[in-house]
Amino acid sequence: SQELEQSPQSLIVQEGKNLTINCTSSKTLYGLYWYKQKYGEGLIFLMMLQKGGEEKSHEKITAKLDEKKQQSSLHITASQPSHAGIYLCGADRGNSGGSNYKLTFGKGTLLTVNP
Amino acid sequence: ETGVTQSPTHLIKTRGQQVTLRCSSQSGHNTVSWYQQALGQGPQFIFQYYREEENGRGNFPPRFSGLQFPNYSSELNVNALELDDSALYLCASSRGLAGVREQYFGPGTRLTVT
Repeated sequence: SQELEQSPQSLIVQEGKNLTINCTSSKTLYGLYWYKQKYGEGLIFLMMLQKGGEEKSHEKITAKLDEKKQQSSLHITASQPSHAGIYLCGADRGNSGGSNYKLTFGKGTLLTVNP
Repeated sequence: ETGVTQSPTHLIKTRGQQVTLRCSSQSGHNTVSWYQQALGQGPQFIFQYYREEENGRGNFPPRFSGLQFPNYSSELNVNALELDDSALYLCASSRGLAGVREQYFGPGTRLTVT
C-alpha cells in the first residue's frame, strides 16, 4: 500500500468554487511538502509544513498539518483556471536511521478548473 | 523557473538500449537528486549525489547509475532499457545536505522506451 494516500484522485470544479485535497500518511511525518505540477513538467514548490497544527497560506492556497492524524489538507479558495494541474504531497521521513535526503510522494490529485 | 535545467527534453529509445540523461544544478547547489515519475504516479526517488559521491539510493536496480561532476552537474545512466523505464525523469538540486526542504526541481526529461 502507498505510504502517502491522496484524495481525491481527480477533481473537477467550476471557477470560483472552493476545494480541498487531502494527504494521509501511514508513517510518522517529520515534514510535509506540497507541490504543483503541470502535466509532464517539473514540480513547483508550494508549501512546507513541519509542526502539528501548522497552517500556511500563499495567495489563495492554504495548507494545514494535523500531526496526530498524520494528515495534511490543501485548500484553494475561489479557484481559477490557473490553479489547474496535479497537486502532489511529499513526506520527509526525517532522520530515523538515515539522513533525510529524499521525499516520498503520493500519486497526486489532478485538478481541473472549468471557466 | 528554478535554475535547474535538464536535457534532453524528450527521448525515444528501444528496449535493450542505453540512455544518458543530464542535469545542471542551480548555482550554488552541490547536491543533485534523481526521481522517476511513471504516468499517473508520484515521483520515486532513484538516488542522490553530494559532492560527486552517492549519498543514498532508492529501490532501483544497478542498471540505474549516476555520476556527479566537479561543477556539480549530474548524469543518470540507464542500461538495458525496459518498457517500464518509460517515465518522466526529474532531477532536483539543493545546497549541501540540508535535506529535502531546499530542493528545486528541473522540468524533467520524458523517456519513452519502445
